[in-house]
Amino acid sequence: AQKITQTQPGMFVQEKEAVTLDCTYDTSDQSYGLFWYKQPSSGEMIFLIYQGSYDEQNATEGRYSLNFQKARKSANLVISASQLGDSAMYFCAMREAFFGNEKLTFGTGTRLTIIP
Amino acid sequence: DVKVTQSSRYLVKRTGEKVFLECVQDMDHENMFWYRQDPGLGLRLIYFSYDVKMKEKGDIPEGYSVSREKKERFSLILESASTNQTSMYLCASCYWSPPRDPFFGQGTRLTVV
Repeated sequence: AQKITQTQPGMFVQEKEAVTLDCTYDTSDQSYGLFWYKQPSSGEMIFLIYQGSYDEQNATEGRYSLNFQKARKSANLVISASQLGDSAMYFCAMREAFFGNEKLTFGTGTRLTIIP
Repeated sequence: DVKVTQSSRYLVKRTGEKVFLECVQDMDHENMFWYRQDPGLGLRLIYFSYDVKMKEKGDIPEGYSVSREKKERFSLILESASTNQTSMYLCASCYWSPPRDPFFGQGTRLTVV
């Protein structure tokens, strides 16, 4: 079974619109963390936002916010007022304990294209 | 700035060769990871390590091994490279606690011919 599921392989969004990228996860741990990364065409992995499983407030970082719905096991990324520079691959990831160690698992990604 | 450095950006090897991919981090991170990235498949975890000489299999360890003799260095080894191991390989590292975002290397694009 997939640990992290991103159901949108690609999305096209008009510039200045808000966009939501979907992510669902599967874990039996109580303590875990969820990340979003951006990968532009240059290939570097850029950290965007982090949500801990015990955090009650949704995480926000500038134009990025994470819509965390624990009961539904979803951690969607919301980008407000999209810009042309937001065009990139976006990956959702989960960090969970693995026999006392850390395991970090990624989804298959969503390619976001912002249209002028 | 934290740096995770992978030894090569591009690599071309022949089928059957033994291939070493090196990753070095300068932040004393306990955890290190190796992934391969393929279109449509995202990042798939090959191996990870939480301490010197410790290693755990990820989701796709077949055909790979790893070595962590020093805390700052985590090596991925392809014992006998095959064409289906042509891919982008990414190394990452992070602290154990408190939870911090993992830092990534720039990636190595390996082509096996």
